[in-house]
Amino acid sequence: DTGVSQNPRHKITKRGQNVTFRCDPISEHNRLYWYRQTLGQGPEFLTYFQNEAQLEKSRLLSDRFSAERPKGSFSTLEIQRTEQGDSAMYLCASSPEIGQATGTSGGASYNEQFFGPGTRLTVL
Amino acid sequence: GNSVTQMEGPVTLSEEAFLTINCTYTATGYPSLFWYVQYPGEGLQLLLKATKADDKGSNKGFEATYRKETTSFHLEKGSVQVSDSAVYFCALRGGGSQGNLIFGKGTKLSVKP
Repeated sequence: DTGVSQNPRHKITKRGQNVTFRCDPISEHNRLYWYRQTLGQGPEFLTYFQNEAQLEKSRLLSDRFSAERPKGSFSTLEIQRTEQGDSAMYLCASSPEIGQATGTSGGASYNEQFFGPGTRLTVL
Repeated sequence: GNSVTQMEGPVTLSEEAFLTINCTYTATGYPSLFWYVQYPGEGLQLLLKATKADDKGSNKGFEATYRKETTSFHLEKGSVQVSDSAVYFCALRGGGSQGNLIFGKGTKLSVKP
């Protein structure tokens, strides 16, 4: 399977514990994104990497959250001192770098983000 | 800032009915527009896209036209099937370099035989 994979698929933890999720992107993709999706909402952007560099973080990403992509391949998202409000689906997506488009339309370039199945976190 | 508004569901249709899911956006510059679909138990999949005004994205019988004058990207299908039951998300990507997607809240579609 050459798609984006995420582990674990489900995580149940107690409030105050730390959790770590892993994302393995499509191998040739330079960009890696993390999103959070709560029930009844669309995914919300958390952060993204260009290779190993974390280039942007959303205001949603409090200081309890940290993400790494040490070798520019897989990425981890850690949540420290979890709170019940952290319960959500955490999605990872990867894409080629903009400019290395997966296709063009009328001369404009775009890149498709390929999503993993997500990790569902439940904080009790 | 950039945002996406799509019609709230759930939407329930009979097989072979016509589908429209409305989506409007607010953005600076010239965003790219997308529809993603999430089938039960599966991850998000790109359904179709359009990168400039008047472009029409199409896939699997679904269509959406990028209307800059009305800032809309409505999803349509002439004849839905039971297998189209899923949650549909409208999204935009701004013109900046970061490339992150901004999603609507999603519209759940249920198609009955």
